[in-house]
Amino acid sequence: GPKVLQIPSHQIIDMGQMVTLNCDPVSNHLYFYWYKQILGQQMEFLVNFYNGKVMEKSKLFKDQFSVERPDGSYFTLKIQPTALEDSAVYFCASSLGLGGRTLYFGSGTRLTVL
Amino acid sequence: AQSVTQPDARVTVSEGASLQLRCKYSYSGTPYLFWYVQYPRQGLQLLLKYYSGDPVVQGVNGFEAEFIKSNSSFHLRKASVHWSDSAVYFCAVTGATGGNNKLTFGQGTVLSVIP
Repeated sequence: GPKVLQIPSHQIIDMGQMVTLNCDPVSNHLYFYWYKQILGQQMEFLVNFYNGKVMEKSKLFKDQFSVERPDGSYFTLKIQPTALEDSAVYFCASSLGLGGRTLYFGSGTRLTVL
Repeated sequence: AQSVTQPDARVTVSEGASLQLRCKYSYSGTPYLFWYVQYPRQGLQLLLKYYSGDPVVQGVNGFEAEFIKSNSSFHLRKASVHWSDSAVYFCAVTGATGGNNKLTFGQGTVLSVIP
């Protein structure tokens, strides 16, 4: 089936540093998403993105977070500066459309903030 | 607000036995419901989804789920499990109308299949 690739699979950084998580979505998909999963907890919606703009973001999407997809390349989540509570697994997803269209997920990036 | 509850954090069954993983949802409108599976070190993979029509939906690898509106449930079933079904299973809901395709997930159920 369609594949979403996330790079890197694991990232360790010091608190206060900037980190960029990269996502290569399914090639013809138009809608992109980030989800956050803290160990042992459920996956929670962060943000979705379409046509160069954020459509909706949750309260977890702090001011230190930003997303972009310049020129159809990687869909990125940037955190600047990072905090200890940002340690989690971040999942990227993409879909062809809205209205319940299937989201295809990547395998996640485990972010550890020291 | 929408929410999903998976009351069983862990389920252990013997290979060849039947399986039911429970899912209860809360959504004020018409829901779209999903079951995803996550194998170790992999992303979530869609097992099945319910949009409308026949409340029993068939998915991959012999899985099925039944939408019971009166009970707000969408339990996942399989007649005979295999050791390779060991994984984490997530139930999710989104709205049929409006919204931004935002999925709300349950906490997941870890399924262990023992020989």
